[in-house]
Amino acid sequence: QVQLVESGGGVVQPGRSLRLSCAASGFIFKNYGMHWVRQAPGKGLVWVATIWFDGSDKYYGDSVKGRFTISRDNSKNTLYLQMSNLRAEDTAVYYCARENGFYDRSGSQRNALDIWGQGTMVTVSS
Amino acid sequence: DIQMTQSPSSLSASVGDRITITCRASQSITTYLNWYQQKPGKAPNLLISAASSLQDGVPSRFSGSGSGTDFTLTISSLQPEDFATYYCHQTYNPPQTFGQGTKVEIK
Repeated sequence: QVQLVESGGGVVQPGRSLRLSCAASGFIFKNYGMHWVRQAPGKGLVWVATIWFDGSDKYYGDSVKGRFTISRDNSKNTLYLQMSNLRAEDTAVYYCARENGFYDRSGSQRNALDIWGQGTMVTVSS
Repeated sequence: DIQMTQSPSSLSASVGDRITITCRASQSITTYLNWYQQKPGKAPNLLISAASSLQDGVPSRFSGSGSGTDFTLTISSLQPEDFATYYCHQTYNPPQTFGQGTKVEIK
């Protein structure tokens, strides 16, 4: 079945680094853009980063720009998030999600995050 | 960045009630608007894409409407499994942004 499985979360000290992975299965990974979204405890969803299907373009949220790097290995069906210089405010559940195309009533294509992983918890604390 | 403002932040309702959640964008996003449902401890689940397109398997009591800056999510007859938090999400421009969420609780 179509599935995303995150790994790599844990407890890390402020200023340190951590790499998250997201293993995809059940679909042709190289055909889809991918995203990371995070959720701090008791808070809402915050978009973190996106990468084009072929890795040719990437975008980041302002709060992680310059510290986080999104990448992918299409030969391994895996998405990554390299997190550096971690701060307490980066503490959150991190979800990977697949972007897919859908159509509005006029037939124009739009996009949405249709498949999500179960999330991996990152705690930044001394 | 495009700001997404949901209202209300929370609401209490009974099984069988009709409820409406609104989402307003800080600029026009045409129909680049999605709705997700999230239950505690679970990942979000896509309900509606492109403002009004119901995802396969989502009950028909859910509906979405709107374009430009103003959008609504309606549940026509609230069921016990619908008590959850709902988020709107714009994909018009990066950075993509979510609304702050609307928690639907049992009255």
